[in-house]
Amino acid sequence: DGGITQSPKYLFRKEGQNVTLSCEQNLNHDAMYWYRQDPGQGLRLIYYSQIVNDFQKGDIAEGYSVSREKKESFPLTVTSAQKNPTAFYLCASSIVTGQDYEQYFGPGTRLTVT
Amino acid sequence: GENVEQHPSTLSVQEGDSAVIKCTYSDSASNYFPWYKQELGKGPQLIIDIRSNVGEKKDQRIAVTLNKTAKHFSLHITETQPEDSAVYFCAAKRPGRRALTFGSGTRLQVQP
Repeated sequence: DGGITQSPKYLFRKEGQNVTLSCEQNLNHDAMYWYRQDPGQGLRLIYYSQIVNDFQKGDIAEGYSVSREKKESFPLTVTSAQKNPTAFYLCASSIVTGQDYEQYFGPGTRLTVT
Repeated sequence: GENVEQHPSTLSVQEGDSAVIKCTYSDSASNYFPWYKQELGKGPQLIIDIRSNVGEKKDQRIAVTLNKTAKHFSLHITETQPEDSAVYFCAAKRPGRRALTFGSGTRLQVQP
């Protein structure tokens, strides 16, 4: 089965702790993305990466960090500097070349920070 | 940067009726407009997309129309079924920008 996996589905943390969300894809896609979704809002881009060892800030990167050491993996760390980290986090991937811009999404991780 | 507005935020229709969701975008250079369906607790899935060199695209009960001059595009679902109930997102992308800009979503409820 090809696709994107995110783990865990639900994550609970205490305020002040860093937490890392996992995202793995076996679609052989070059580009990967992290979005944040809040109730009643659209998806907002946190970070994206078009190639291994390179990534770019999105619209709401403050308080987040990423790494892209392998093509298949794009973990997101929510740091204690993120003022309102409770949200639904979605990882996506896509090919880079050609006109096929479709982004494939994972099932998401719901993070609750108390 | 790009701004995408989506209306309505909620839509309730009777089974068998049609549903229309509308989006406007601000960046005239945008050339790719996908629509995603998100079921409860899941990630969004692409249902249809359109590029700026096309005015309309259909796929069975789903169609998307694009008006480049007015900078708006719409999703049309005909003969709605209860399984169409979900949140629908429009998005836009301009050349040179890898990521999509999403609208705020429409919660569609199809009443049996």
